[in-house]
Amino acid sequence: ETGVTQTPRHLVMGMTNKKSLKCEQHLGHNAMYWYKQSAKKPLELMFVYNFKEQTENNSVPSRFSPECPNSSHLFLHLHTLQPEDSALYLCASSQDAAQGRTGELFFGEGSRLTVL
Amino acid sequence: GQQVMQIPQYQHVQEGEDFTTYCNSSTTLSNIQWYKQRPGGHPVFLIQLVKSGEVKKQKRLTFQFGEAKKNSSLHITATQTTDVGTYFCAGRAQAGTALIFGKGTTLSVSS
Repeated sequence: ETGVTQTPRHLVMGMTNKKSLKCEQHLGHNAMYWYKQSAKKPLELMFVYNFKEQTENNSVPSRFSPECPNSSHLFLHLHTLQPEDSALYLCASSQDAAQGRTGELFFGEGSRLTVL
Repeated sequence: GQQVMQIPQYQHVQEGEDFTTYCNSSTTLSNIQWYKQRPGGHPVFLIQLVKSGEVKKQKRLTFQFGEAKKNSSLHITATQTTDVGTYFCAGRAQAGTALIFGKGTTLSVSS
């Protein structure tokens, strides 16, 4: 139990489907992140939310749409994905001070996405 | 942009041998963190280094932060099969910026 819960753990979808990944953290942290991990690339930062406000969007295609309704929940909405989007999507949270980021990341177990 | 490079990409050792992974940044870092990801698992935080030349130990693991704060290393003494996994370094150029991860070093250990 990491304190960061991701659902679903596995997802298979077609290129025309719309699905969402969910992340919930029970650690009282104020920053949440989406990372993409594929066989070819290292952990790629996708989005950062600090105090529910998106503070970074790392040139992610618009077919990925994040939503952060409160500091404990983070969603990644998926639509018209491509097969190359198949990867492990990791959510993480951290306790960041308002003036900067110093805390370590607590990762969830990830959602393994396969796009057919 | 900031890049964090890690070598080697893969390392296989016999149980009991030592192992070292190296991390180099294109820019000076405010701090560096190390994570371990077991096969099929998720990254787990190991340690953070902040000061120039800092050395920290966790049992058989020794972490170093270079004097110029641009490189770091993780050394494991007398590896065990439980050390198997991928070790990532991650650095921040300055407070307020996101962590940039290296590609990781995947360690395999045979008994």
